[in-house]
Order: sequence, then C-alpha cells, then structure tokens
Amino acid sequence: GDSVTQMEGPVTLSEEAFLTINCTYTATGYPSLFWYVQYPGEGLQLLLKATKADDKGSNKGFEATYRKETTSFHLEKGSVQVSDSAVYFCALNDYKLSFGAGTTVTVRA
Amino acid sequence: DAGITQSPRHKVTETGTPVTLRCHQTENHRYMYWYRQDPGHGLRLIHYSYGVKDTDKGEVSDGYSVSRSKTEDFLLTLESATSSQTSVYFCAISEGLDTYQETQYFGPGTRLLVL
Repeated sequence: GDSVTQMEGPVTLSEEAFLTINCTYTATGYPSLFWYVQYPGEGLQLLLKATKADDKGSNKGFEATYRKETTSFHLEKGSVQVSDSAVYFCALNDYKLSFGAGTTVTVRA
Repeated sequence: DAGITQSPRHKVTETGTPVTLRCHQTENHRYMYWYRQDPGHGLRLIHYSYGVKDTDKGEVSDGYSVSRSKTEDFLLTLESATSSQTSVYFCAISEGLDTYQETQYFGPGTRLLVL
C-alpha cells in the first residue's frame, strides 16, 4: 500500500538557520504530494503541494520538489524564524491522503 | 480559513459510554473526512463521506461509525468508548472535484480522553 516516511524529530534550530525535512514515499500510482503544517493547538493547514513529477511547490519561503526518480519530496527553507515552530507532515494523495508521522520543529531566537 | 467547526473541542468520558463528535462545514464541500492523530502515527483516516448518506471506511474504522444526513454535518460515533480511542480527532473537507490533487481543509480538532 501507499506510505510516507519522513525524518524523525524533534528538530531544534536557531533563527536564520537552514531547514531540511526529508520525505520519501511509496505508491503504486502517480500521487500528488503535500506538506501540511500544524501550529500549536491548531488543525493542519496546507503549506505547499506538487501534483506531478518535477513540479516545485513553494509558500512562505518553503520549497519542495517532486522527485519521481528518488520518490522524494523534501521540504526546505533557507532561513527559519521562530514563527516556523510547528509540526510538519508530508502526505501523498493517491485517491486517499496518507500522512507521514510528522516532524516537530522548534526554532529558537 | 475554511469554515469548519468541531464540537465538542474537549471531552472526557468513561470506558463503555457512547460518544458523538460533530463536524460542521459552511463551504458546501462534497467530501468530508474523520481522522485521528496519535504520536508516531501522523493522521489516520477513520471514515469519509462523498455525499449525503454516502460513506466509506478508512484504515482504522473498527469501533467507529459515521452518519451524514445533511451536506454540512458529519457525525462520528464511538458506540462504546475504549481507552485506545483516546486521541485527537480531526475533521477535514474537500471539494471532491479532483480527489487526487485537491487540498483537504482541516477543522481545529477534538481532544478526547477515555478513562
């Protein structure tokens, strides 16, 4: 079945540091890929998505590229802020949405 | 923000009692979903609905039932709550025009503790 594996946290960074969260997937079809973010005490919200190979999703300084050859969709941000502290979920949609376990990111001032 | 509300937001109950969680949307979206969130598991789909009175099971549906009698409301019922159902429950909605690509919008969650 479809599955998503993302790097385990927690990840702790200083402000302005570079952030990478690795995500790889297994799917039988051609899924769309998503990154959702969950801020403390809130529900999930879409951060970015890509619907086909080589697509790059971007939002709020975050980027991720759909790499079919490596079945990956790694999330990156060049300079994080304290407000980026959250839990990040990688997900794939191949008719239904399958989530990774989530990565907790804490950014310190 | 998508117009999704969940009630109650917090609930404590005892093992063996029935519990109903409500999800209400104002977006007139066709699809509605119930997930549970547990540490180390991300979100897992319990049940979903693709229209009024049209529902189907997700990957962790045992012990749960759902009903959708109106487009805007999707109810999740735990017939006899167990401690393993202690979790945070999220409702989500999507338009249903292209389920492979479209975004799901999530409610604020219900924190359920079964003693």
